[in-house]
Parts: sequence; structure tokens; C-alpha cells
Amino acid sequence: QQQVKQSPQSLIVQKGGISIINCAYENTAFDYFPWYQQFPGKGPALLIAIRPDVSEKKEGRFTISFNKSAKQFSLHIMDSQPGDSATYFCAARGSNYKLTFGKGTLLTVNP
Amino acid sequence: DTAVSQTPKYLVTQMGNDKSIKCEQNLGHDTMYWYKQDSKKFLKIMFSYNNKELIINETVPNRFSPKSPDKAHLNLHINSLELGDSAVYFCASSQLAGYEQYFGPGTRLTVT
Repeated sequence: QQQVKQSPQSLIVQKGGISIINCAYENTAFDYFPWYQQFPGKGPALLIAIRPDVSEKKEGRFTISFNKSAKQFSLHIMDSQPGDSATYFCAARGSNYKLTFGKGTLLTVNP
Repeated sequence: DTAVSQTPKYLVTQMGNDKSIKCEQNLGHDTMYWYKQDSKKFLKIMFSYNNKELIINETVPNRFSPKSPDKAHLNLHINSLELGDSAVYFCASSQLAGYEQYFGPGTRLTVT
């Protein structure tokens, strides 16, 4: 049973465009929602995270939008660059300390 | 200065062998984790230790055994390796359990 559903599976964006990745969850006990970026051959790196009492968080070109009532959150990458090409994972932390990850989105930014 | 390090980076071994992967963090964190990433890149928690106490123990074969000699180290020992164990294994650490996890570079295990 997948508790965090991520879409799309892959995404191709032109340089300068906006990349949007969506996640949905069912467990209302989740209390922390991070996004991770993973380059080939590397470990996932924490990109940005949000708590459910906030509807939006922005760090540079990266923004998380959080909709508690819809149980959805999304990552927006503004002015996408070829260097942003990577796999992105959303995740959610449950009361049992576990991070449950989405299945990942492979982002390709074309020059 | 590496924050979370793992050794070895690559591990190729035959079915039936026993192997260990070591992890060390120099961030002063209290919690450490082992994750498995399969060929489809799906990341799944296996174990977690907080101050040397096991707090997450997912449903994994008992051939996998974590050991935490101190809060800066978490090792993973795998007995009787099987083909299905082939994956990338990541160690991670965080100050508070479940939050802001920092991942190591991974160990790619190939069982032939």
C-alpha cells in the first residue's frame, strides 16, 4: 500500500520553464513533508521541507505548496535549469518516525 | 569533510555469502537509518537507531541485521545473500527522528 502518491513519473521542461511535481497522501498523522533531489550515482539530498501548519514555503527557485484539506503538496521549480535535471522524491513523516517516500519523478530540463 | 560516509561504495559478491556495509556520520546526529533503493529507484526504510536504540524495524528478512556500536556508526550485516538483495543501500542520519535526514553516497550491492 503506497501511502504517498507522486506524479508525474517523468517530466520534460524547457530551460526557463516551471517544473511542477505533485504528491498526495492519505495519512492525516503525517507531520512533515520534505522533498529530496537525487542525481545519478548520488544519495538523495534534502531540498526543501514544509510542516502542515504552513501553506507555502519558498527557498530560492524552489517552492512547496501545501493543501492540508486536499491532502496534497507540490514542488514548483521556477526558471528550471539543465542542472536541475535529477530525480525528485516527495516524502512524509509519520508518527512512527518513518519517512514514506513517493516513487520519484525524473525531471529533464532541456537547454 | 564528508557528513555521512559509507563503505564500500561498490560490493559485488556471490549468492550465499555474508557481507557488511559500514556507515559513519560526523554531524553529531542522534538518529541513523538504513534505506534500500531498488532498481526502480523506490526508497524504503529498513531500520533506524536513535542513540543506539532500535526505533524502526521494517519487515525485512532476518538475514539483515543492523548494529550500532555508538551513535555515530550504524552497520548493516547481511547473511546468506540472495539475488534479490541487489540494490543500492543508503545510510542516513538526522538530529530528530524522522526529520531532516542527510543521506550518504550509497553502497551498490550486486549479488551474482
